[in-house]
Amino acid sequence: GQSLEQPSEVTAVEGAIVQMNCTYQTSGFYGLSWYQQHDGGAPTFLSYNALDGLEETGRFSSFLSRSDSYGYLLLQELQMKDSASYFCALFTGGGNKLTFGTGTQLKVEL
Amino acid sequence: EPEVTQTPSHQVTQMGQEVILRCVPISNHLYFYWYRQILGQKVEFLVSFYNNEISEKSEIFDDQFSVERPDGSNFTLKIRSTKLEDSAMYFCASSVNSYEQYFGPGTRLTVT
Repeated sequence: GQSLEQPSEVTAVEGAIVQMNCTYQTSGFYGLSWYQQHDGGAPTFLSYNALDGLEETGRFSSFLSRSDSYGYLLLQELQMKDSASYFCALFTGGGNKLTFGTGTQLKVEL
Repeated sequence: EPEVTQTPSHQVTQMGQEVILRCVPISNHLYFYWYRQILGQKVEFLVSFYNNEISEKSEIFDDQFSVERPDGSNFTLKIRSTKLEDSAMYFCASSVNSYEQYFGPGTRLTVT
């Protein structure tokens, strides 16, 4: 099976940069995804890394290192609206499913 | 922008009753999924559906669960005999490429 671990909570200041880490164990996967979820809302796709390295989409960047079984999501120019939970998820074959991590709750303060 | 829709938004049912949760995926998507999230916990995979059949199902998806795509637009999850532990938010998701999944707003199922 797969397992993913994330820090439970991160606090940062508006305008700052924050990095949220994800470590995983798996016997095989296609890639690592990141989703944002506001309280009471649905997960929203942010980024996907099929290969090692950095993927950038606007203020969001995601990194994957398969050799270290590690990834992170980087948010720049933090805004209050970024306060949410962020989940990493392994995308695996067979059913092309997502296995989600435990999630990091990001709190952005003034 | 196209979006996944789900009905109802909230369903309250008694233990042992059958429920059907409904989803309308994005129209040109080919991959369909059901996930659930117990309050305060992570999102858990239930089942994936492609080409009119189940691709994979999790250990949670036992004989009490079934999925159907009765027509070209709807995708349903049926729980035959609900248990207290089935209380959760159920999310439908769809995808055109399978890795970028679009989630619906969810149905909150409360079993009493």
